[in-house]
Amino acid sequence: GENVEQHPSTLSVQEGDSAVIKCTYSDSASNYFPWYKQELGKRPQLIIDIRSNVGEKKDQRIAVTLNKTAKHFSLHITETQPEDSAVYFCAANSNSGGSNYKLTFGKGTLLTVNP
Amino acid sequence: GAGVSQSPRYKVAKRGQDVALRCDPISGHVSLFWYQQALGQGPEFLTYFQNEAQLDKSGLPSDRFFAERPEGSVSTLKIQRTQQEDSAVYLCASSLGAVQETQYFGPGTRLLVL
Repeated sequence: GENVEQHPSTLSVQEGDSAVIKCTYSDSASNYFPWYKQELGKRPQLIIDIRSNVGEKKDQRIAVTLNKTAKHFSLHITETQPEDSAVYFCAANSNSGGSNYKLTFGKGTLLTVNP
Repeated sequence: GAGVSQSPRYKVAKRGQDVALRCDPISGHVSLFWYQQALGQGPEFLTYFQNEAQLDKSGLPSDRFFAERPEGSVSTLKIQRTQQEDSAVYLCASSLGAVQETQYFGPGTRLLVL
């Protein structure tokens, strides 16, 4: 099955700096890679996703890059703000045997943005 | 519109008790997922429904776990004879179609088994 590794597990930045979180996946057939933000005690919320037919996607201060050859994808947050502080999860779908709905999540990155 | 809702939000059970967790997906969403999230970990897939059909239950940890979605809308996750290792947050998610699309999560039910 799919295996997703996420680094770092914690990340502390100063307000206004950039933050980068990296993930690797094992299943070369995976074609959908969402990123979720989860504040303490709240539900995971999708912040951006990318499909394997593109290499980069951007939405305001958030961008995701995908390298299919190396099987890794990254989340980039620019001009970080204190409200960006949360746990971020990457995920990848399994795309074998018709089960492309099944998401495997990384273990999460606790991002702290210091004012 | 209303998002995914779950009830109860918190549940304390004594070891050996049965529990039932409810999920109300977004209206009209075909796909429904259950995940288990242990403290400090990412969500782990438990089971998947497409309408009323349970197409994948490969993530259910034991035969004490049972899920249903009889009318293709509300779903219930039942855990029989709860054990301490069942303590976790149980998340429900739904998506509009039957192919890979955005999954919208509910707030979860935090289960504590004493």
